[in-house]
Amino acid sequence: DSGVTQTPKHLITATGQRVTLRCSPRSGDLSVYWYQQSLDQGLQFLIQYYNGEERAKGNILERFSAQQFPDLHSELNLSSLELGDSALYFCASSVGGLAAVDNEQFFGPGTRLTVL
Amino acid sequence: AQKVTQAQTEISVVEKEDVTLDCVYETRDTTYYLFWYKQPPSGELVFLIRRNSFDEQNEISGRYSWNFQKSTSSFNFTITASQVVDSAVYFCALSEAIDAAGNKLTFGGGTRVLVKP
Repeated sequence: DSGVTQTPKHLITATGQRVTLRCSPRSGDLSVYWYQQSLDQGLQFLIQYYNGEERAKGNILERFSAQQFPDLHSELNLSSLELGDSALYFCASSVGGLAAVDNEQFFGPGTRLTVL
Repeated sequence: AQKVTQAQTEISVVEKEDVTLDCVYETRDTTYYLFWYKQPPSGELVFLIRRNSFDEQNEISGRYSWNFQKSTSSFNFTITASQVVDSAVYFCALSEAIDAAGNKLTFGGGTRVLVKP
């Protein structure tokens, strides 16, 4: 158990809908990262937050947005869903800090999103 | 742009054989970190090892060992005396500083390891 929790574990929805994925980082970790794992794209970085502020952005679509709340949990919002958004979405956390390239990231169990 | 390549898509071995996973990376950074993660059939990603770009000393941790060669940009990972529980997908990852404030992991495509009894 990494200490990172993600809810829900599974989500099935229809095209055009909006969903919210939730993540609670390990106790003491200030950085939260979101990744998408799909068959065709592999594991891709989406976005990073550190202590409530956005710090790094990857291949995140404009239809997707995220935020980190004062209690450090984070939410990833996916809207106008398409079939291709079906994937496993991981949240990870690390101690954080400026340019924490040396931090190992601890991953949650993931949320499997299926768009029908 | 950073890139991580795992040329082996799948490796099948019999229990107790050694397994070596190849990883080649590309980066322009002088300071970087390399990681190996394991994804068992249950789906979670488990951190295994970390190595920084200044330390090419190879190490052994239990049944895991790694060979980091900066000259060839390779960071290979070996499982000694494999066990059925080692069956998983293994990912090599490169940590990149986006700027002074952010960072991200760039993952390779993964190598599926199947250990047969």
